[in-house]
Amino acid sequence: TQLLEQSPQFLSIQEGENLTVYCNSSSVFSSLQWYRQEPGEGPVLLVTVVTGGEVKKLKRLTFQFGDARKDSSLHITAAQPGDTGLYLCAFNTGGFKTIFGAGTRLFVKA
Amino acid sequence: SQTIHQWPATLVQPVGSPLSLECTVEGTSNPNLYWYRQAAGRGLQLLFYSVGIGQISSEVPQNLSASRPQDRQFILSSKKLLLSDSGFYLCARESSGANVLTFGAGSRLTVL
Repeated sequence: TQLLEQSPQFLSIQEGENLTVYCNSSSVFSSLQWYRQEPGEGPVLLVTVVTGGEVKKLKRLTFQFGDARKDSSLHITAAQPGDTGLYLCAFNTGGFKTIFGAGTRLFVKA
Repeated sequence: SQTIHQWPATLVQPVGSPLSLECTVEGTSNPNLYWYRQAAGRGLQLLFYSVGIGQISSEVPQNLSASRPQDRQFILSSKKLLLSDSGFYLCARESSGANVLTFGAGSRLTVL
């Protein structure tokens, strides 16, 4: 059983469309992280959300942490081909381990 | 610089052959280091982590092993590869106190 459930698993959209991907759990987290991974490369951190209900914006990307700190969403406005990649949510166990979800693979067509 | 070097970038090995993947990191001393495996573009599975020289914690029982002979060197090994060992292997370091991982570019292993 995955501690972090990400949905959808795969998303293919046209350039200019909006989209939202989700990261859900039955557990409460002190913080959640979002990474993006491009093909053939390692993941790169996008953001860390810490406070329940927190909203963070990174250009066209909007990240929200659920009020109960069990879930998070990533909304992309006017998607571009450069947004193509695997979006991973993750949490740190409080020890030395970071656990990742299975990811949402996004493909933006020009 | 928090640069992470991994090599080889790509490797094709027969079943039963040995494996050695190397990772070296730059930056602050005594980093926490990690090996993850990723299958078919999916999520990352934590294999090993190390908080110091000679200190290795294993997360998943398997025929892989890890070693940390120097502060900034982390090695993933196997004596006999299995088909199921194929995947994308990522080395990462943790930024001090931030719980943020910085990843290398990965090593893609295909076992035939």
